[in-house]
Amino acid sequence: AQSVTQLGSHVSVSEGALVLLRCNYSSSVPPYLFWYVQYPNQGLQLLLKYTSAATLVKGINGFEAEFKKSETSFHLTKPSAHMSDAAEYFCAVSDNTGNQFYFGTGTSLTVIP
Amino acid sequence: ETGVTQTPRHLVMGMTNKKSLKCEQHLGHNAMYWYKQSAKKPLELMFVYNFKEQTENNSVPSRFSPECPNSSHLFLHLHTLQPEDSALYLCASSQDPLPDGYTFGSGTRLTVV
Repeated sequence: AQSVTQLGSHVSVSEGALVLLRCNYSSSVPPYLFWYVQYPNQGLQLLLKYTSAATLVKGINGFEAEFKKSETSFHLTKPSAHMSDAAEYFCAVSDNTGNQFYFGTGTSLTVIP
Repeated sequence: ETGVTQTPRHLVMGMTNKKSLKCEQHLGHNAMYWYKQSAKKPLELMFVYNFKEQTENNSVPSRFSPECPNSSHLFLHLHTLQPEDSALYLCASSQDPLPDGYTFGSGTRLTVV
């Protein structure tokens, strides 16, 4: 079985500061891992995904995430926050059969001018 | 254009009304999903359709009735809803059984009065 834990339901950073959103997973098989972003009153948009290739994954809008098996983590980072990054971010995990897909509870990112 | 289109974007309905939400995907995916997103709650998977067959119903009340006439279209029929059913309803599609992540629509914001 798989599960996802996102530490911190709310994160605030200053514009230009590092963004770090945490995601830890629990999986009995090698997982597929995803980060999604949701802007107000919109659906979820795929930011990036890990599917057992390179452990450092680059996504859209300057975001990247690193798969660390020893830490069972897939934290999302961006070197310099922009005001437009303010949104809700969801981590998700799937096993390699794709039969189950689990979302974390989400982290709301606020960017302070 | 995300490839998954939901209509209407906003819907206000009385508790005695009957309405339907529509989802259409243009990606050639074979699986479609309905999710409910309420304020301050995790995403709730409601229904899953795989090759037009319903494969999952997560104890959703019978006042919600899904329909999948073909692999490109998904409906959610609503009748005698309650105010607590007010939420953002998200449709998603994927290529199962090896998902490349989900593609979401922009959602329907439903308000039950």
